[in-house]
Order: sequence, then C-alpha cells, then structure tokens
Amino acid sequence: AQKVTQAQTEISVVEKEDVTLDCVYETRDTTYYLFWYKQPPSGELVFLIRRNSFDEQNEISGRYSWNFQKSTSSFNFTITASQVVDSAVYFCALSEAGQAGTALIFGKGTTLSVSS
Amino acid sequence: DAGVTQSPTHLIKTRGQQVTLRCSPKSGHDTVSWYQQALGQGPQFIFQYYEEEERQRGNFPDRFSGHQFPNYSSELNVNALLLGDSALYLCASSLAYRDNSYEQYFGPGTRLTVT
Repeated sequence: AQKVTQAQTEISVVEKEDVTLDCVYETRDTTYYLFWYKQPPSGELVFLIRRNSFDEQNEISGRYSWNFQKSTSSFNFTITASQVVDSAVYFCALSEAGQAGTALIFGKGTTLSVSS
Repeated sequence: DAGVTQSPTHLIKTRGQQVTLRCSPKSGHDTVSWYQQALGQGPQFIFQYYEEEERQRGNFPDRFSGHQFPNYSSELNVNALLLGDSALYLCASSLAYRDNSYEQYFGPGTRLTVT
C-alpha cells in the first residue's frame, strides 16, 4: 500500500537558520512521482517540485533544495537561510504510475514557523 | 491566465442536507481531482474526472459523487451530510498525459461546516 510519512509535526526556527523537512514514502510501484507542496495560511496548496523515481539527482532552486534517496525511500526538503515568508504547512505527496489516474497521496504535513 | 477557481468559498449546512461544490480548472487543463482536508490533516483524495468519466476513486462512501462537464469544469456532491464531512474541499486540475503524472494545480478550496 502507498503511504507518505512526515514524522515532524511542527518545526520552529529563527530567521536565517537552515531547516530540513523529512519525508519517507512507501510504494510497491517501480515508477512513481514525488511532490512537495506548500500551504500558506490562505489555504491554497502551492506546487514546489515533482521528481520521478528514475531521477535521483538532487535539485536546488534558490534557497530550496531536495534530496531524493531511493535506498531509504526518502525525499527530504531543505530551506537554506529561512525567512518569515517560509512559514507555512509543507506537504510531501506520492503518485504511482501504475494506477488508473494520478491521485496524490499526501503526508500529514509539517508546520514550519519562522520567527524574526 | 486564470488559475483553478472554486465556489462557494464558505458554506454552512445542517446534518442530513446535501451540498454541491463547484470547480473550474486552470485554462488548458482537462483533468479535475477533488480532495478533502480535515483540520490539521493532509488532503485525502476523493476522486478524479477525465473526459467526463470518473477515472479514479479514493476510499470515500457513495454519498460523495461528482460530475465533469464538457468544458472540463466539475461538481462535487455530498448527500446526507455528517458532522465529519466538515473540512476544506480542494479541487485540483492537471493535464492528462498517459505516461506521466503531471503536477496538479490547486484551487483555494471551499470550507464546508456541517452543524
């Protein structure tokens, strides 16, 4: 069965600190897709990144970076030099290529609070 | 370029009533998915519509039904409302592609409160 676990419920940091959000997934499919979404207080989910299971190359986008390791079934997200605007709930999600559609299975989310 | 829109923004209903939520996908998208997000939880997949057919369904009872129109917009209907149906209902749109799972773009959601 597919499952996404985000063990960190809440994280609090001070501005300019680096922070890593953990994500562990379970799937039987060999082809799958992993996502990170951000949900600010307004409620709308904002897409951050998509990785497919065949591409383990780490990715960096500005202050954001993602570390995908198939050996440990993890897809961790690091924010460098955090800012107050990064405060939000972050969700990791999984979609399996073998299913009929493209349903996303979400973790329970990690609430990040960045204080100035 | 209009993003995903949902209506209404907020809704208050009584137990046992029926509700219809609406979603218009992002321009150019042909697939609509619905998710339920209870307070403090991650979104849970309800179902997905493509070419006016339900393509995939999550673990939700038959009280939850949907429809997709020729213009790709969609409705989510919930019958016999329960207190536990209170949640944020999110609509997401995407572009169907047989061999890839494209990112889904989410709307602002409809906050449903059942009293």
